[in-house]
Amino acid sequence: QVQLQESGPGLVKPSETLSLTCSVSGGSISPNYWSWIRQPPGKGLEWIGYIYYSGTTSYNPSLKSRITMSVDSSTNQLSLKLTSVTAADSAIYFCARYHCSGNACQYFDSWGQGTRVTVSS
Amino acid sequence: QSALTQPASVSGSPGQSITISCTGTSSDVGSYDLVSWYQQNPGKAPRPIIYEATKRPSGVSDRFSGSKSGNTASLTISGLQAEDEADYYCFSYAGSGIWVFGGGTMVAVL
Repeated sequence: QVQLQESGPGLVKPSETLSLTCSVSGGSISPNYWSWIRQPPGKGLEWIGYIYYSGTTSYNPSLKSRITMSVDSSTNQLSLKLTSVTAADSAIYFCARYHCSGNACQYFDSWGQGTRVTVSS
Repeated sequence: QSALTQPASVSGSPGQSITISCTGTSSDVGSYDLVSWYQQNPGKAPRPIIYEATKRPSGVSDRFSGSKSGNTASLTISGLQAEDEADYYCFSYAGSGIWVFGGGTMVAVL
């Protein structure tokens, strides 16, 4: 049973860069697709983007200019960087694994517990 | 890419059936069967309950069922139970590597 654990600073100042890590245990980074999802306080889920174990990425168009995702197979970790943060980026950030078969990915079958990030000076 | 449209809340009495709609466009829900549904309890990570519009992951109660017609996907909960009280989100592929969530629906068991 794969387990995911997000980590990062709980507090980030406006205009700075948010950096998060997702540690994967009980399974391998490859050959999977991984995603980051966030949820502002009291609001719904927002898909941030995905990364394939090879490094191929796809990002939410509304965040694309500020996002960088990467994967490190040697440490079984994923990372998310979000630049120029504002209060609107305050949220719980989740990492999740796509369940894929054939030529398509169908759903997220494993989730981390999430890490809360607050953007404030 | 706009969020899929879900009702803000749906309620029902124990034992009843309720249906949550998820309306997209011909570019997302209407073009792909890659619609999944998630249940989220307060303070918890979401849990998948439906994938590919109609299929249930292993271990999910058969009281949950999904369907899709045109640009709208639906989740039906039959035999509503107190433990079903939670937030529910739909999620769909929108082409070109982009995915989109619905706004979420709060289910209340009266």
